[in-house]
Formats: sequence, C-alpha cells, structure tokens
Amino acid sequence: GDSVTQMEGPVTLSEEAFLTINCTYTATGYPSLFWYVQYPGEGLQLLLKATKADDKGSNKGFEATYRKETTSFHLEKGSVQVSDSAVYFCAQISNSGNEKLTFGTGTRLTIIP
Amino acid sequence: NAGVTQTPKFQVLKTGQSMTLQCAQDMNHNSMYWYRQDPGMGLRLIYYSASEGTTDKGEVPNGYNVSRLNKREFSLRLESAAPSQTSVYFCASGNSRDLGYTFGSGTRLTVV
Repeated sequence: GDSVTQMEGPVTLSEEAFLTINCTYTATGYPSLFWYVQYPGEGLQLLLKATKADDKGSNKGFEATYRKETTSFHLEKGSVQVSDSAVYFCAQISNSGNEKLTFGTGTRLTIIP
Repeated sequence: NAGVTQTPKFQVLKTGQSMTLQCAQDMNHNSMYWYRQDPGMGLRLIYYSASEGTTDKGEVPNGYNVSRLNKREFSLRLESAAPSQTSVYFCASGNSRDLGYTFGSGTRLTVV
C-alpha cells in the first residue's frame, strides 16, 4: 500500500547550516507530495508541495523536488534559522481516487544559535 | 479567521467516559478527516468523509465513531474512552489532491 518513509530524527543543527531531510514514498502511480511543518503547540501547516515528476516546491527558503526515478521528495534549506525549529512531516496523496493523505513519522529539527 | 476549528483544545477523561470532538470548516471543502498524532508514529487516519453523507474507516478506526453532520461539520465520538486513546487529535479538510489539506489546531486528550 501507499507509504512514506522519512529520515529519523531528532536532527540538531547550528544556525546557518545546510539542511536535508530525506523522504521516500511508495505508491501506485504518481502521487501528489507534500511537506508539512508543525511548530511547538500548533497544528500542521502546509510548507510546500509538488504534484508531478520534476516539479520543485518551494516556500520560506525550503525546497523539495519530486524525483520519480528515486521515488523521493527530500526537503532542503541552504541556511537554517532558529525559527525553523519544528517537526517536519513528509506526506503523499495517491492518485488512486481515495484522496487520503498518508504521513511519514515526522522529523524533529532543532536549530541552535 | 477562515479555516478549520476544533473544540475543545484540551480534555481529560476517565476510562469508560464518552465524549465528542467537534470540527467545523468554513472553506466549502468536500472532504474532511480525523487523524491522531502519537510520538514516533506520525499522524494516522482514523476516519474520513469524502463528501457530505459519506464516511469511511481509515487506518485506526477501532473505538471511534464519526458523523458528517453537514458539509461544514465532522465530529468524532469516543463511546468508552481507554488510556490507549490518549493522543492529540487533528481534524483536516480539503478539496483537491493537488492542494493538500488544511488542519485544525488540535485537541489534546488524556484518558486516565
């Protein structure tokens, strides 16, 4: 069935470091892919998305490219800030018609000054 | 503000008690969802409603019931709460697989 596997956390980086959080998916066909972010004590917010192969989603300095050949959607940011500390979730919605959003387990990111 | 509204934000129940979590959206979305979030397990789908008048089981439906009262509202009921249902519950809504979902701010439920 459809699933999402993402990099285990927690991840701790220094401010201005480069960030990569790996995400791979298993799906029938070509799903839509998403990264959500959850700040402490809050709900989930959509960070970025990509709906077809080779699409690049971007927002707030974060980027992720839909790679069909490697079934991946890795999240990257060139220079992280303390305010980026949060839990990041990779997710997919398959094109099988059920419209269900399937999540990875989440990666907790902490940025230290 | 437009979006998804969940009530209550916090709740403590005793084992065996019942309660209903409320969710309402004002974005005219067709689909609504209930998830639970547990440490190390991400978000797991409990139930969803693809349109008004329909509901379907998700990954972890046991111990829960839902009602899609109208297009705006989708409630989650625990008939006899158990400690294993201690979790944070999120409601979400959406219209298109290409746009993703909008989430509420969550209900933190503790069953003692």
